[in-house]
Amino acid sequence: AQSVTQLDSHVSVSEGTPVLLRCNYSSSYSPSLFWYVQHPNKGLQLLLKYTSAATLVKGINGFEAEFKKSETSFHLTKPSAHMSDAAEYFCVVSDRANNAGNMLTFGGGTRLMVKP
Amino acid sequence: NAGVTQTPKFQVLKTGQSMTLQCAQDMNHNSMYWYRQDPGMGLRLIYYSASEGTTDKGEVPNGYNVSRLNKREFSLRLESAAPSQTSVYFCASSQGTNAYQETQYFGPGTRLLVL
Repeated sequence: AQSVTQLDSHVSVSEGTPVLLRCNYSSSYSPSLFWYVQHPNKGLQLLLKYTSAATLVKGINGFEAEFKKSETSFHLTKPSAHMSDAAEYFCVVSDRANNAGNMLTFGGGTRLMVKP
Repeated sequence: NAGVTQTPKFQVLKTGQSMTLQCAQDMNHNSMYWYRQDPGMGLRLIYYSASEGTTDKGEVPNGYNVSRLNKREFSLRLESAAPSQTSVYFCASSQGTNAYQETQYFGPGTRLLVL
C-alpha cells in the first residue's frame, strides 16, 4: 500500500529566505512522486514530478525536490521565497504495483505562508 | 484552450436532494477523475475513468455515481445528498490510461454545502 506524510501542516517563512516542505512516503514498489500547488480558491497545478530518472528534480518557479530512497523522502525546496509562493502544497505518490488501479495518494497538505 | 472546466462553482443542497456535477476537458485526454477535498486530508479519489466507456471506484465511492458521457465529459452524481458530502469537488484529467507517472490537470473545483 502507498501512503504519504507531510510532516508540517503549516510553514511560515520571510520573503527572500529558503523554503523547505517535508514529505515522507511509503510505497511497495517503484513510486512516482509529485508535488502539486494549490493557490486560494483554485485547482491544483503540477510543480514537479519524479519518475525514476534523475533524483534531483527541478520544477517551475524555482522549486526543486530530491528523491532519497534510503530515507523515503521527497522534500520540496526553494532558495528564496516570494510572496506569490503563498499557497497549499501537496506531496503525492503513485505506485506501479498499486492493486487499486489508477490512483494517486495525496498527503494532507502544507500551507506555506510568506511574510513581507 | 480552456483545459478542465467544472460546473457549477458553488451549490447548496438540502439533505436528500440530488444533483450532478459536470466536468469537461478539451485536451483529448483519455483518463478523467473525480476527487473530494476535505480539510487536512488532501484529495481523495471518488471515481475514475481510464477511457471512454469505462469507470472504476476509487478510495471513497459510496454515495456517488459517475458517467463518462464521451471522451470529453465525466459527470458525478449525488443521488441523495448527505451532510458528510459537504466538500470541495475537483475533476482532473490526464493523457494516459494510468495515473503512474502521469501529470493530472485539475479543474477549478465545485464547493458543495449540504444542509
